[in-house]
Amino acid sequence: DTEVTQTPKHLVMGMTNKKSLKCEQHMGHRAMYWYKQKAKKPPELMFVYSYEKLSINESVPSRFSPECPNSSLLNLHLHALQPEDSALYLCASSTSGSNQPQHFGDGTRLSIL
Amino acid sequence: DQQVKQNSPSLSVQEGRISILNCDYTNSMFDYFLWYKKYPAEGPTFLISISSIKDKNEDGRFTVFLNKSAKHLSLHIVPSQPGDSAVYFCAASAASKSTFGDGTTLTVKP
Repeated sequence: DTEVTQTPKHLVMGMTNKKSLKCEQHMGHRAMYWYKQKAKKPPELMFVYSYEKLSINESVPSRFSPECPNSSLLNLHLHALQPEDSALYLCASSTSGSNQPQHFGDGTRLSIL
Repeated sequence: DQQVKQNSPSLSVQEGRISILNCDYTNSMFDYFLWYKKYPAEGPTFLISISSIKDKNEDGRFTVFLNKSAKHLSLHIVPSQPGDSAVYFCAASAASKSTFGDGTTLTVKP
């Protein structure tokens, strides 16, 4: 069982919909991450939160809006997505500080119609 | 330009033999290197790591070697087991940012 829980596991949405991806961890980690992974490609970093503050945004389009309501939760709000945004979205967490291994959730498989 | 490369998309070995997975990087700022293992329909799982100040780290059947001058690292699994069959990602880290390679699919045949 993964210690990082992501919901939903699958999501199909239209380009005009608004939806949110959720991620939860109870390991006391103070760093949380969103990654995007396309088929047969490596995970690509989108956002990093450290102590509930956004510390890294890898020039992600504004139609993706992250939120960290508390130290255990990480959300990714989606609005007006494009078909090319269809991918696996992975959440991860780690202890704070550089050079820490990350614990990944199993991801949300997102399909944009 | 891809900063972390795993040039072998796949590797097949016999059970009990050694598996060697390779990874090359280009950015000298990377100071921490990790290997993750991924089964289908699951997220990556951390396997082993190495700091740039070391050249070897061992954990049970898994050993990671780092050659900084060549910007090359490798993961050795010995003896290989069928349960090791998975996709293995190499990752390089600098300042809380990890960059992943494309992955190598390892198949261990009984």
